[in-house]
Amino acid sequence: GDSVTQMEGPVTLSEEAFLTINCTYTATGYPSLFWYVQYPGEGLQLLLKATKADDKGSNKGFEATYRKETTSFHLEKGSVQVSDSAVYFCALSDRSGGYQKVTFGTGTKLQVIP
Amino acid sequence: EAGVTQSPTHLIKTRGQQVTLRCSPISGHTSVYWYQQALGLGLQFLLWYDEGEERNRGNFPPRFSGRQFPNYSSELNVNALELEDSALYLCASSLVTRDPTYEQYFGPGTRLTVT
Repeated sequence: GDSVTQMEGPVTLSEEAFLTINCTYTATGYPSLFWYVQYPGEGLQLLLKATKADDKGSNKGFEATYRKETTSFHLEKGSVQVSDSAVYFCALSDRSGGYQKVTFGTGTKLQVIP
Repeated sequence: EAGVTQSPTHLIKTRGQQVTLRCSPISGHTSVYWYQQALGLGLQFLLWYDEGEERNRGNFPPRFSGRQFPNYSSELNVNALELEDSALYLCASSLVTRDPTYEQYFGPGTRLTVT
């Protein structure tokens, strides 16, 4: 079955540091890939997505490239801010029995210190 | 456009009691998904409703159940509450469930505490 593996957290960085959160996946079909972010006390919200191989999703300075050859979708940001402190979830969406099936990773908590 | 709404925001129940959580999807979305997020853990898929039908359920006991109404809103019912049911329950909706390129939109969640 489908699965998503994320690096374990928490990840603690100083403000303006470079961020990478690793995400790899296994899927039987041709999935779409997503990064969701959950700020403290809130639900998840979509950060970015990529729907086919070599696509790059980007939003709010975050980027991730859909790498089919390495089955990866690593999240990067060049300079993190304190306001980026949150839990980040990698997810894949695939067709299963004619419907969409979504599989989430376990989440990676990011703490950015001033 | 209003987002996904959930009620109540917080809930405290006693072991053995029953609870009902409610979710209203974004207007035009016909699918509703329920997830459990226990403290320190990721999202565990609970149930998926589409056009009034239960389409899939996760690895949870039958005391977790729900339904979807004709207006596509949904209820999650949990019977015989146990301490480990304490969690944030998230509802999500999606515009097109047959196309995996579409993202899910999440509500703020209901925090359930079982004492």
